[in-house]
Amino acid sequence: GENVEQHPSTLSVQEGDSAVIKCTYSDSASNYFPWYKQELGKRPQLIIDIRSNVGEKKDQRIAVTLNKTAKHFSLHITETQPEDSAVYFCAASKGASDYKLSFGAGTTVTVRA
Amino acid sequence: EAEVAQSPRYKITEKSQAVAFWCDPISGHATLYWYRQILGQGPELLVQFQDESVVDDSQLPKDRFSAERLKGVDSTLKIQPAELGDSAMYLCASSLGVAKNIQYFGAGTRLSVL
Repeated sequence: GENVEQHPSTLSVQEGDSAVIKCTYSDSASNYFPWYKQELGKRPQLIIDIRSNVGEKKDQRIAVTLNKTAKHFSLHITETQPEDSAVYFCAASKGASDYKLSFGAGTTVTVRA
Repeated sequence: EAEVAQSPRYKITEKSQAVAFWCDPISGHATLYWYRQILGQGPELLVQFQDESVVDDSQLPKDRFSAERLKGVDSTLKIQPAELGDSAMYLCASSLGVAKNIQYFGAGTRLSVL
């Protein structure tokens, strides 16, 4: 099955700096890569996703890049704010043939004021 | 904004007891998922339904876990008997399915087995 590895496990950044989280996946058939944000005690919420037919997607301060050849994708958060503090999960699925999401272990991001 | 509903939010039980969790997906979502999230790890799929049918339960410990979605709407996940290692967050998610894979999660049920 699909194996998703996520790094780093914890990340502490100064407010205003950028944060980058990296994930690798094992199954070359995967073609859908969402990122979820989970605040303490709350449900995971989708913040951005990317499909294999594009290499980069941006939404305000958040961007995701995908390298299908290398089988890795990354989340970039610019101008970090205290409300960005949360656990971030990457995931992968095969999309139309298999909707199951395989998640990474998560990255705890702390934004220092 | 429609949300996935789950109950209870918290459940404390003793080992060997039976527990049940309930999930009501977003209206119109044909696909429903149950995940288990152990503290410090990402969610792991236990079972996936398409309408009332199970499409993937390969990671469900079938000797003690069962799941049903009888009318293709809400769903129940049961554990009998509960073991200490079952302590975790149980998350339900739903999606439209069929070419739309965005999964929306419920707030989860935190299970503690004593």
